[in-house]
Amino acid sequence: GAGVSQSPSNKVTEKGKDVELRCDPISGHTALYWYRQSLGQGLEFLIYFQGNSAPDKSGLPSDRFSAERTGGSVSTLTIQRTQQEDSAVYLCASRVTNQETQYFGPGTRLLVL
Amino acid sequence: QKEVEQDPGPLSVPEGAIVSLNCTYSNSAFQYFMWYRQYSRKGPELLMYTYSSGNKEDGRFTAQVDKSSKYISLFIRDSQPSDSATYLCAMNDNFNKFYFGSGTKLNVKP
Repeated sequence: GAGVSQSPSNKVTEKGKDVELRCDPISGHTALYWYRQSLGQGLEFLIYFQGNSAPDKSGLPSDRFSAERTGGSVSTLTIQRTQQEDSAVYLCASRVTNQETQYFGPGTRLLVL
Repeated sequence: QKEVEQDPGPLSVPEGAIVSLNCTYSNSAFQYFMWYRQYSRKGPELLMYTYSSGNKEDGRFTAQVDKSSKYISLFIRDSQPSDSATYLCAMNDNFNKFYFGSGTKLNVKP
């Protein structure tokens, strides 16, 4: 079956521009996560959505970062006024509530020049 | 102090060797422990999952959890070049947030 998909796969932008990253989770998965992975680093938690509950935004590094999930399915991570330190791979994962297995997408590689 | 500590490596071993990968953690509330494998330019995929202390074996892979020491391990027997990847440990406390190690890069030489 279809896995988690993310778009675009690669994004190059100029410092100061806004970017939107998209995640399509596995159908029926109620939980959705965004992570950031910098070169040689582990996964840094950004935000978590669970059903219709308020999202856990505790990992967002600044107010330039925001995310929304429409209709309990597709999610968009927006980075405003991008900075060079935002360059990283942004990974999305989804899972079924009460199951520990997260299924990851291939990631979006963001490069801010 | 990070919630989860993991040696980044890289770890280079000959084909057929036994590989030991480890993580330590600080939060005694963690109950669920996972190992993910990540190939280059791919998303992580779940390899092993254990609950609380003990061992779990799946083919050439064995996961161990020692909650008293806050220490988890992944052993790979008869390592193959196809095992070359980055291995990430992850854990959570029965809530919804997962904590990942920084990953250990493994290279198995033919």
